[in-house]
Amino acid sequence: DGGITQSPKYLFRKEGQNVTLSCEQNLNHDAMYWYRQDPGQGLRLIYYSQIVNDFQKGDIAEGYSVSREKKESFPLTVTSAQKNPTAFYLCASGRTGRGPGNTIYFGEGSWLTVV
Amino acid sequence: QKEVEQNSGPLSVPEGAIASLNCTYSDRGSQSFFWYRQYSGKSPELIMFIYSNGDKEDGRFTAQLNKASQYVSLLIRDSQPSDSATYLCAVKRDNAGNMLTFGGGTRLMVKP
Repeated sequence: DGGITQSPKYLFRKEGQNVTLSCEQNLNHDAMYWYRQDPGQGLRLIYYSQIVNDFQKGDIAEGYSVSREKKESFPLTVTSAQKNPTAFYLCASGRTGRGPGNTIYFGEGSWLTVV
Repeated sequence: QKEVEQNSGPLSVPEGAIASLNCTYSDRGSQSFFWYRQYSGKSPELIMFIYSNGDKEDGRFTAQLNKASQYVSLLIRDSQPSDSATYLCAVKRDNAGNMLTFGGGTRLMVKP
C-alpha cells in the first residue's frame, strides 16, 4: 500500500527523556513535514524538508530535532528541552513544485503523552 | 491578525441541510486553497482544493473562492451525521512550493 506510516501511534515519555517519532513514506514525495496539534487547536509547523539532507525550522522548532538522510524517512526527536510535549504529532509529505493542486498528505499521527 | 481565520464553532446543522464553512486569509499573494476534514482523534484528509475565483463542485461539496474579498468557503449539501468533523482551511502561495498555512478549523456537528 502507498502511504505515510507513522510509529508508534501512542507514546509515553518520562520527564527528561528524548523520544523519537518515526515517519516513512513510499509515495516518492520530495517534501516532508512535521506538525503539532494540541487539543481543539489547529496545526503548527515544527520542521520541514524539501530535499534529502536539508531541512528547515518551522514556527515551533524549539525543543525538537529532525534528520533527512533518506527520501523516504523523516524522523522527529522530541528532546527534553521541549517543556510541554504532550500533543498529537502529524507527519505529512507532498510533491515540490508550483502546481496549484500540489498539497500535502498526512500520516495517521502519533499521540505523545508526558507521564 | 492570524493569517488564516476560521470560526471555531461548533456549527450545528440538522441532517439534510446545507452546511456553510467559511475561511478568510490575509495574504493577497495566496494562490491555492484547500479544505481538509479531520475526524476526532484522526489525521486530516484532503477534501478538495480551489485556485480560481468562483465555485468548484465535487459531489456534495462545493468550494467557493473570492480573491478580492479574501475568503474561501466550503458548502456541504445534504449534510449527514458522518460529516460531523473539524474542517481545516489551508492556504498556499505557489512560489512557496507546497507550504501550507492552516486555519484553526471549524467543528461541524450534523444532528440526526
